[in-house]
Amino acid sequence: EAQVTQNPRYLITVTGKKLTVTCSQNMNHEYMSWYRQDPGLGLRQIYYSMNVEVTDKGDVPEGYKVSRKEKRNFPLILESPSPNQTSLYFCASTSGLARDNEQFFGPGTRLTVL
Amino acid sequence: GDSVTQMEGPVTLSEEAFLTINCTYTATGYPSLFWYVQYPGEGLQLLLKATKADDKGSNKGFEATYRKETTSFHLEKGSVQVSDSAVYFCALSDQAAGNKLTFGGGTRVLVKP
Repeated sequence: EAQVTQNPRYLITVTGKKLTVTCSQNMNHEYMSWYRQDPGLGLRQIYYSMNVEVTDKGDVPEGYKVSRKEKRNFPLILESPSPNQTSLYFCASTSGLARDNEQFFGPGTRLTVL
Repeated sequence: GDSVTQMEGPVTLSEEAFLTINCTYTATGYPSLFWYVQYPGEGLQLLLKATKADDKGSNKGFEATYRKETTSFHLEKGSVQVSDSAVYFCALSDQAAGNKLTFGGGTRVLVKP
């Protein structure tokens, strides 16, 4: 089954404790991205990657890091989480950047930073 | 920059009622337009899309028409079911912005039996 998986689904942590949220897709997609969803703001892009070893900032990159060492994986790293990073996070992938390409989303990771 | 504005929810309806969710956009280039749906506890999934003016996207009884003159892409369904309860996101993909998806704030819809 074609899918995007994320782990963990739920995470409660404390300020300053480094964490990683994993993302993996099995569709051989080149383009992957991370979004955060906050009430009333929709989804905002954090980082994206157009291929292995190619990453770039989205609209809200501060406080986040990513890496793309393999095509299928795109982990999101919070090196020193803060309470304002409490949010719902989604990983997404798509086969390319044609203007009508569908993006496929993971199930989401709900993060709470105390 | 690009932006998408959609009506705030929640929208509460009875089963078999008519649903409309308004969506308007601003874009630098000529965007493609999308509606994504998020069911409780799940990620977003594509509901329908339209890539040029006057195109109508449709799926699962939902429809939306790309109106370039009014920069709108309103979502409609003639007879909703309880299973349509979800959050609906209007989004655009603008080639002038690298085809990045820009989302509206989302509209929660609750359908009661």
